[in-house]
Amino acid sequence: DGGITQSPKYLFRKEGQNVTLSCEQNLNHDAMYWYRQDPGQGLRLIYYSQIVNDFQKGDIAEGYSVSREKKESFPLTVTSAQKNPTAFYLCASSIGRSRGNQPQHFGDGTRLSIL
Amino acid sequence: AQKITQTQPGMFVQEKEAVTLDCTYDTSDPSYGLFWYKQPSSGEMIFLIYQGSYDQQNATEGRYSLNFQKARKSANLVISASQLGDSAMYFCAMREHSGSGNTGKLIFGQGTTLQVKP
Repeated sequence: DGGITQSPKYLFRKEGQNVTLSCEQNLNHDAMYWYRQDPGQGLRLIYYSQIVNDFQKGDIAEGYSVSREKKESFPLTVTSAQKNPTAFYLCASSIGRSRGNQPQHFGDGTRLSIL
Repeated sequence: AQKITQTQPGMFVQEKEAVTLDCTYDTSDPSYGLFWYKQPSSGEMIFLIYQGSYDQQNATEGRYSLNFQKARKSANLVISASQLGDSAMYFCAMREHSGSGNTGKLIFGQGTTLQVKP
């Protein structure tokens, strides 16, 4: 079945450590997105990519980095510069910006905690 | 600046009754889309329904319908015949379609937690 796979489901980070969250999609979607969700809150956009080898900062990009070397993959690195990384991270994809009525499809998320 | 507001942090509804979840939005873009998502306690985001700003009729998808009032900038979700499985958090989101706003990005509201009582 087509979908978005995020791994791992749970992740723990030590102080000063970088960690990478994986996001893979087999929907042949051009656009991919990373969101952060804090408890009881809405989703905030970290980074997004509309095409391979190109990405843009979202609203809360500080302390995060991404790459888009393949259409299927959009990994997110939470760097040591992100002082409050404990959150639920959701990856999404969509057909592309030209299809305004197409929804974003989401993975099951990764819960990141600080040790 | 574009913004989504969901003023109901939590709602209760009796099983088999209908419930309305409120959503108001602010945008200067004449072309935009509104989405509703459901997030169960497991965390995944499930797409429910879409309404385009130029759509003449309110969107419907099974038990979900959207009460779209463009002049009031509101897009309320109506769930008919509530079921226990409808207990979840519900998010309203907006995407701008035209010009520099056409990035595909979604702006989310804070969400409403719905609990269906047996």
